[in-house]
Amino acid sequence: GAVVSQHPSRVICKSGTSVKIECRSLDFQATTMFWYRQFPKQSLMLMATSNEGSKATYEQGVEKDKFLINHASLTLSTLTVTSAHPEDSSFYICSARGGTDGSTQYFGPGTRLTVL
Amino acid sequence: QKEVEQDPGPLSVPEGAIVSLNCTYSNSAFQYFMWYRQYSRKGPELLMYTYSSGNKEDGRFTAQVDKSSKYISLFIRDSQPSDSATYLCASLTGGGNKLTFGTGTQLKVEL
Repeated sequence: GAVVSQHPSRVICKSGTSVKIECRSLDFQATTMFWYRQFPKQSLMLMATSNEGSKATYEQGVEKDKFLINHASLTLSTLTVTSAHPEDSSFYICSARGGTDGSTQYFGPGTRLTVL
Repeated sequence: QKEVEQDPGPLSVPEGAIVSLNCTYSNSAFQYFMWYRQYSRKGPELLMYTYSSGNKEDGRFTAQVDKSSKYISLFIRDSQPSDSATYLCASLTGGGNKLTFGTGTQLKVEL
């Protein structure tokens, strides 16, 4: 099956620092990758959609200058949380679409970010 | 009104029970329907994927879509404690990019 990895799985940082999260599709080429945020006991909230080689499309209310997304290759997308604050603490999950079934999204294991 | 509605639970059943999880949706343009399973502090795992109306079976899991009533169901037979997780339904329009998720139903299967 299609496998998506994320790194790191958990990160703790100080307020004001930047954190980069990597999302990789391991056994398929992902034409589109998605970044979600999930707060405790809530569903996934889409932050942005990125296509390889082009700028990401952000959902309403998501600051593009704060959450920088780069989709440099068909197997790698990165999310950088710039100048992180405690309210950015959340579970960040990426998904990738591609492979044999172009409609299905496969999710990574998530990255738990804690900003002190 | 949310586009996809799902009862958050929690739903608690004894081991071996048949579990029925349900969602309703309002967008007639939805054509693809998925069920994801999410264990605590993990990413969602795709369980079932169906296109348009009908049933799809995979082992102990059966997904059912009724487009006339805009109703999505997931049945789990012979439920096991390892099935304890949050189950998320999701829908996608034809040619669309953005998955619309329900809030998820928390299921606990007890010994």
